[in-house]
Amino acid sequence: KNQVEQSPQSLIILEGKNCTLQCNYTVSPFSNLRWYKQDTGRGPVSLTIMTFSENTKSNGRYTATLDADTKQSSLHITASQLSDSASYICVAEGGGFKTIFGAGTRLFVKA
Amino acid sequence: GAVVSQHPSRVICKSGTSVKIECRSLDFQATTMFWYRQFPKQSLMLMATSNEGSKATYEQGVEKDKFLINHASLTLSTLTVTSAHPEDSSFYICSASWPRETYEQYFGPGTRLTVT
Repeated sequence: KNQVEQSPQSLIILEGKNCTLQCNYTVSPFSNLRWYKQDTGRGPVSLTIMTFSENTKSNGRYTATLDADTKQSSLHITASQLSDSASYICVAEGGGFKTIFGAGTRLFVKA
Repeated sequence: GAVVSQHPSRVICKSGTSVKIECRSLDFQATTMFWYRQFPKQSLMLMATSNEGSKATYEQGVEKDKFLINHASLTLSTLTVTSAHPEDSSFYICSASWPRETYEQYFGPGTRLTVT
């Protein structure tokens, strides 16, 4: 069964701290792994995309990693800001438009 | 980057009425558009995939006669919720894409539908 599992479901951190979100996927065939940021009441915005052969991709304070052997990905946020409060969605793509969404991790950054 | 708009952003309608949501790709031609539904604290659930000029492909469990999708041009797709019920209240998000190496989807800002 194709699925994407994210952990934790929610996370509260203090502003300025770092955090890491986890994603495990079982999607076959597998081609790409994306991370999206979704602000409340808005559509998702792409943060990073990695093909199956890539191990890491950075976008500013966001760094995603991918281990295609263990089918795990992580999203690391450095020096968190209040504006980072959002849901972060991991998406595994299986070629073409086959797209499996995770349930997301809700991140709350507090001052 | 590619911009996708949705209209309206919020809509309240009475039970039994129909409501239309528009999804537009503003600066590119979208050969494929997707419609998602998202309930509170849940992830996006794909409802249907539409290709310009052809009938939409609906996901299992989504009633095609209740959720009418029209992709009449390369920049516009519409979702019409017919005979709306309170349980149809949700956040509806569209995305648009065109065949490229990464098949990236560009998401609209979403439409909050409330059926009273």
